[in-house]
Amino acid sequence: EAQVTQNPRYLITVTGKKLTVTCSQNMNHEYMSWYRQDPGLGLRQIYYSMNVEVTDKGDVPEGYKVSRKEKRNFPLILESPSPNQTSLYFCASSLSPGLDTEAFFGQGTRLTVV
Amino acid sequence: DAKTTQPPSMDCAEGRAANLPCNHSTISGNEYVYWYRQIHSQGPQYIIHGLKNNETNEMASLIITEDRKSSTLILPHATLRDTAVYYCIVRDNYGQNFVFGPGTRLSVLP
Repeated sequence: EAQVTQNPRYLITVTGKKLTVTCSQNMNHEYMSWYRQDPGLGLRQIYYSMNVEVTDKGDVPEGYKVSRKEKRNFPLILESPSPNQTSLYFCASSLSPGLDTEAFFGQGTRLTVV
Repeated sequence: DAKTTQPPSMDCAEGRAANLPCNHSTISGNEYVYWYRQIHSQGPQYIIHGLKNNETNEMASLIITEDRKSSTLILPHATLRDTAVYYCIVRDNYGQNFVFGPGTRLSVLP
Protein backbone atom coordinates (compact mmCIF):
# COMPACT_ATOMS: atom_id res chain seq x y z
CA GLU A 1 0.00 0.00 0.00
CA ALA A 2 1.31 3.42 -0.99
CA GLN A 3 1.86 5.45 2.12
CA VAL A 4 3.81 8.05 4.03
CA THR A 5 4.72 6.87 7.51
CA GLN A 6 5.62 9.17 10.36
CA ASN A 7 6.95 8.22 13.77
CA PRO A 8 6.17 8.79 16.50
CA ARG A 9 2.49 9.73 16.30
CA TYR A 10 2.59 11.44 19.68
CA LEU A 11 5.52 12.89 21.56
CA ILE A 12 5.86 14.89 24.76
CA THR A 13 9.31 16.26 25.46
CA VAL A 14 11.06 18.90 27.49
CA THR A 15 12.59 22.14 26.31
CA GLY A 16 16.07 21.70 24.87
CA LYS A 17 16.05 17.94 24.45
CA LYS A 18 16.94 17.06 20.88
CA LEU A 19 14.41 14.98 19.00
CA THR A 20 13.86 13.53 15.56
CA VAL A 21 10.59 12.82 13.83
CA THR A 22 11.00 10.26 11.09
CA CYS A 23 9.19 10.20 7.75
CA SER A 24 9.35 7.42 5.20
CA GLN A 25 7.55 6.91 1.90
CA ASN A 26 7.34 3.77 -0.23
CA MET A 27 6.37 5.36 -3.54
CA ASN A 28 9.83 6.28 -4.84
CA HIS A 29 8.82 9.93 -4.74
CA GLU A 30 11.43 12.58 -5.41
CA TYR A 31 9.76 15.42 -3.55
CA MET A 32 9.19 15.44 0.21
CA SER A 33 8.25 18.18 2.63
CA TRP A 34 7.34 18.95 6.22
CA TYR A 35 4.43 21.05 7.43
CA ARG A 36 3.24 22.19 10.81
CA GLN A 37 -0.39 22.88 11.60
CA ASP A 38 -1.49 25.32 14.28
CA PRO A 39 -4.98 26.55 15.16
CA GLY A 40 -5.89 29.61 13.12
CA LEU A 41 -2.70 29.42 11.05
CA GLY A 42 -3.43 26.43 8.85
CA LEU A 43 -0.64 24.27 7.45
CA ARG A 44 2.68 25.97 6.91
CA GLN A 45 5.64 24.46 5.13
CA ILE A 46 8.83 24.05 7.18
CA TYR A 47 11.31 22.45 4.76
CA TYR A 48 11.19 20.62 1.49
CA SER A 49 13.47 18.39 -0.53
CA MET A 50 13.50 18.13 -4.30
CA ASN A 51 15.66 14.99 -4.27
CA VAL A 52 18.41 13.21 -2.39
CA GLU A 53 20.85 15.66 -0.81
CA VAL A 54 18.74 18.62 -2.00
CA THR A 55 16.84 20.48 0.72
CA ASP A 56 15.54 24.01 1.09
CA LYS A 57 13.68 26.19 3.55
CA GLY A 58 9.95 26.61 3.46
CA ASP A 59 7.96 29.36 5.13
CA VAL A 60 8.78 28.60 8.79
CA PRO A 61 12.20 26.87 8.97
CA GLU A 62 13.55 28.45 12.17
CA GLY A 63 14.39 25.91 14.83
CA TYR A 64 14.27 22.92 12.49
CA LYS A 65 16.72 20.86 10.46
CA VAL A 66 16.18 18.16 7.87
CA SER A 67 18.26 15.71 5.93
CA ARG A 68 17.71 13.65 2.80
CA LYS A 69 20.37 10.99 2.58
CA GLU A 70 18.15 8.52 0.78
CA LYS A 71 15.08 8.97 -1.33
CA ARG A 72 12.57 7.28 0.95
CA ASN A 73 13.43 9.05 4.23
CA PHE A 74 13.14 12.69 5.27
CA PRO A 75 13.60 13.14 9.02
CA LEU A 76 12.73 16.37 10.81
CA ILE A 77 15.19 17.33 13.54
CA LEU A 78 14.60 19.70 16.41
CA GLU A 79 18.01 20.36 17.93
CA SER A 80 16.69 22.33 20.89
CA PRO A 81 12.91 22.21 21.01
CA SER A 82 10.99 25.09 22.54
CA PRO A 83 7.35 25.35 23.63
CA ASN A 84 6.45 27.38 20.52
CA GLN A 85 7.23 24.28 18.48
CA THR A 86 4.33 22.49 20.08
CA SER A 87 2.27 21.65 17.03
CA LEU A 88 0.86 18.98 14.74
CA TYR A 89 3.42 18.00 12.12
CA PHE A 90 2.82 16.41 8.74
CA CYS A 91 5.22 14.93 6.25
CA ALA A 92 4.23 14.83 2.59
CA SER A 93 5.64 13.35 -0.59
CA SER A 94 4.91 13.61 -4.29
CA LEU A 95 6.34 12.14 -7.44
CA SER A 96 7.83 15.46 -8.45
CA PRO A 97 7.41 19.12 -7.54
CA GLY A 98 5.58 19.73 -10.78
CA LEU A 99 2.21 21.33 -11.10
CA ASP A 100 0.28 18.21 -12.02
CA THR A 101 1.13 15.91 -9.14
CA GLU A 102 -0.75 15.17 -5.97
CA ALA A 103 0.88 15.07 -2.57
CA PHE A 104 0.45 12.23 -0.11
CA PHE A 105 0.46 13.13 3.56
CA GLY A 106 1.42 11.13 6.60
CA GLN A 107 -0.94 10.72 9.54
CA GLY A 108 0.76 13.38 11.60
CA THR A 109 2.90 13.71 14.71
CA ARG A 110 1.50 15.62 17.62
CA LEU A 111 4.42 17.18 19.47
CA THR A 112 4.19 18.84 22.86
CA VAL A 113 7.21 20.67 24.26
CA VAL A 114 6.98 21.54 27.94
CA ASP B 1 0.86 32.83 -4.72
CA ALA B 2 -2.72 32.85 -5.95
CA LYS B 3 -5.14 33.16 -3.09
CA THR B 4 -8.30 31.18 -2.58
CA THR B 5 -11.45 32.12 -0.71
CA GLN B 6 -13.84 29.58 0.72
CA PRO B 7 -16.84 29.84 3.04
CA PRO B 8 -15.80 28.91 6.58
CA SER B 9 -18.52 26.32 7.06
CA MET B 10 -21.35 24.49 5.32
CA ASP B 11 -23.95 21.90 6.22
CA CYS B 12 -25.27 19.15 4.00
CA ALA B 13 -27.91 16.50 4.53
CA GLU B 14 -26.74 12.92 4.32
CA GLY B 15 -27.35 11.46 0.87
CA ARG B 16 -27.58 14.83 -0.81
CA ALA B 17 -24.95 16.45 -3.00
CA ALA B 18 -22.48 18.72 -1.26
CA ASN B 19 -21.33 21.66 -3.38
CA LEU B 20 -18.29 23.44 -2.00
CA PRO B 21 -17.36 26.71 -3.73
CA CYS B 22 -13.94 28.29 -4.06
CA ASN B 23 -12.88 31.62 -5.50
CA HIS B 24 -9.40 31.99 -7.01
CA SER B 25 -9.68 35.16 -9.04
CA THR B 26 -5.92 35.72 -9.35
CA ILE B 27 -5.07 32.27 -10.63
CA SER B 28 -2.40 32.12 -13.31
CA GLY B 29 -2.82 30.32 -16.60
CA ASN B 30 -0.67 27.33 -15.72
CA GLU B 31 -1.76 26.87 -12.11
CA TYR B 32 -3.84 23.89 -11.11
CA VAL B 33 -6.71 23.85 -8.65
CA TYR B 34 -6.41 21.11 -6.02
CA TRP B 35 -8.85 19.92 -3.41
CA TYR B 36 -7.85 18.17 -0.22
CA ARG B 37 -9.76 17.32 2.89
CA GLN B 38 -8.76 16.73 6.49
CA ILE B 39 -10.81 14.59 8.81
CA HIS B 40 -10.27 15.52 12.46
CA SER B 41 -6.50 15.88 12.80
CA GLN B 42 -5.54 13.23 10.28
CA GLY B 43 -3.22 13.97 7.38
CA PRO B 44 -4.79 15.86 4.48
CA GLN B 45 -6.25 13.55 1.89
CA TYR B 46 -6.09 14.28 -1.83
CA ILE B 47 -9.49 14.47 -3.55
CA ILE B 48 -9.11 15.83 -7.06
CA HIS B 49 -7.36 18.45 -9.15
CA GLY B 50 -7.83 20.17 -12.49
CA LEU B 51 -6.53 22.87 -14.79
CA LYS B 52 -9.32 23.98 -17.12
CA ASN B 53 -11.68 21.11 -17.81
CA ASN B 54 -14.13 19.60 -15.40
CA GLU B 55 -12.82 16.49 -13.70
CA THR B 56 -14.46 13.50 -12.07
CA ASN B 57 -13.11 10.59 -10.08
CA GLU B 58 -14.49 8.04 -7.66
CA MET B 59 -14.63 10.58 -4.85
CA ALA B 60 -15.87 13.80 -6.39
CA SER B 61 -16.35 16.09 -9.34
CA LEU B 62 -14.57 19.37 -9.92
CA ILE B 63 -16.26 22.11 -11.92
CA ILE B 64 -14.02 24.99 -13.00
CA THR B 65 -15.57 28.08 -14.54
CA GLU B 66 -14.52 29.05 -18.02
CA ASP B 67 -12.60 32.09 -16.77
CA ARG B 68 -10.98 29.85 -14.09
CA LYS B 69 -11.70 32.38 -11.38
CA SER B 70 -13.76 29.97 -9.35
CA SER B 71 -14.48 26.30 -8.94
CA THR B 72 -16.88 23.97 -7.16
CA LEU B 73 -16.17 20.61 -5.58
CA ILE B 74 -19.15 18.28 -5.71
CA LEU B 75 -19.57 15.28 -3.48
CA PRO B 76 -22.51 13.61 -5.22
CA HIS B 77 -23.94 11.65 -2.28
CA ALA B 78 -22.52 12.95 0.97
CA THR B 79 -22.17 10.54 3.89
CA LEU B 80 -21.41 11.18 7.55
CA ARG B 81 -17.82 10.14 6.86
CA ASP B 82 -17.45 13.11 4.52
CA THR B 83 -17.59 15.48 7.48
CA ALA B 84 -14.22 17.23 7.30
CA VAL B 85 -12.42 20.46 6.49
CA TYR B 86 -12.10 20.87 2.73
CA TYR B 87 -9.23 22.87 1.30
CA CYS B 88 -9.15 24.47 -2.12
CA ILE B 89 -5.55 25.12 -3.14
CA VAL B 90 -3.96 26.75 -6.11
CA ARG B 91 -0.53 25.34 -6.68
CA ASP B 92 2.18 27.99 -6.82
CA ASN B 93 4.29 28.66 -9.88
CA TYR B 94 7.18 26.47 -8.81
CA GLY B 95 5.01 23.66 -7.53
CA GLN B 96 7.04 23.46 -4.35
CA ASN B 97 4.37 24.26 -1.86
CA PHE B 98 0.75 23.57 -1.15
CA VAL B 99 -0.57 26.69 0.55
CA PHE B 100 -3.44 25.63 2.80
CA GLY B 101 -5.92 28.30 3.82
CA PRO B 102 -8.55 27.86 6.53
CA GLY B 103 -10.78 25.77 4.25
CA THR B 104 -14.49 24.98 4.57
CA ARG B 105 -15.72 22.89 7.46
CA LEU B 106 -18.37 20.62 5.97
CA SER B 107 -20.80 19.00 8.36
CA VAL B 108 -22.90 16.18 6.93
CA LEU B 109 -26.04 15.87 9.00
CA PRO B 110 -28.14 12.71 9.42
